Amino acid sequence: GNSVTQMEGPVTLSEEAFLTINCTYTATGYPSLFWYVQYPGEGLQLLLKATKADDKGSNKGFEATYRKETTSFHLEKGSVQVSDSAVYFCALIGFSGGYNKLIFGAGTRLAVHP
Amino acid sequence: EAGVVQSPRYKIIEKKQPVAFWCNPISGHNTLYWYLQNLGQGPELLIRYENEEAVDDSQLPKDRFSAERLKGVDSTLKIQPAELGDSAVYLCASSLRTSSYNEQFFGPGTRLTVL
Repeated sequence: GNSVTQMEGPVTLSEEAFLTINCTYTATGYPSLFWYVQYPGEGLQLLLKATKADDKGSNKGFEATYRKETTSFHLEKGSVQVSDSAVYFCALIGFSGGYNKLIFGAGTRLAVHP
Repeated sequence: EAGVVQSPRYKIIEKKQPVAFWCNPISGHNTLYWYLQNLGQGPELLIRYENEEAVDDSQLPKDRFSAERLKGVDSTLKIQPAELGDSAVYLCASSLRTSSYNEQFFGPGTRLTVL
């Protein structure tokens, strides 16, 4: 079946540190891949996406590259800010039970300290 | 433009009581989703509506959960009776259409606590 595995959190970093949150997936075919972010007290927001192999999604300084050979979509940012503290979810669109569904990983909490 | 609106934001009930959650999607979005998010987990789809039709309810526990979207706009998700294990966050999302992927916009969720 379709699934997404993320590195466990929390990830604790100092401001301006480099961020990597690992994400690997299992899916049939070539799913579209996404990163969502959930700030405290808010709904999930789409951060970036990639729809085919070798695509790079980017937004707000975050990047992730669709790697078909390693079935990965790791999230990176060169210099994190306190305002990036949130929970990050990796997700894919997978075909399951006759329908396309958005399937999420368990989420990784990021805490950035000044 | 207003986002997806959900109410209430928090609900605390005793087990075996009924509970209902309401969602108003973004204006013009004909696809509406209800998700269940357990603590420390990602959201899992419960049901998806295209206008007023439930097109994917395979993950909805139909013995105690029900949902409706009578006029193809706002929607209600009900649990009757609630069990301790239903404590979670219930998320609503909407999108323009699902013939190809369109971004899903999420509401803030309703956090349910069953005592």
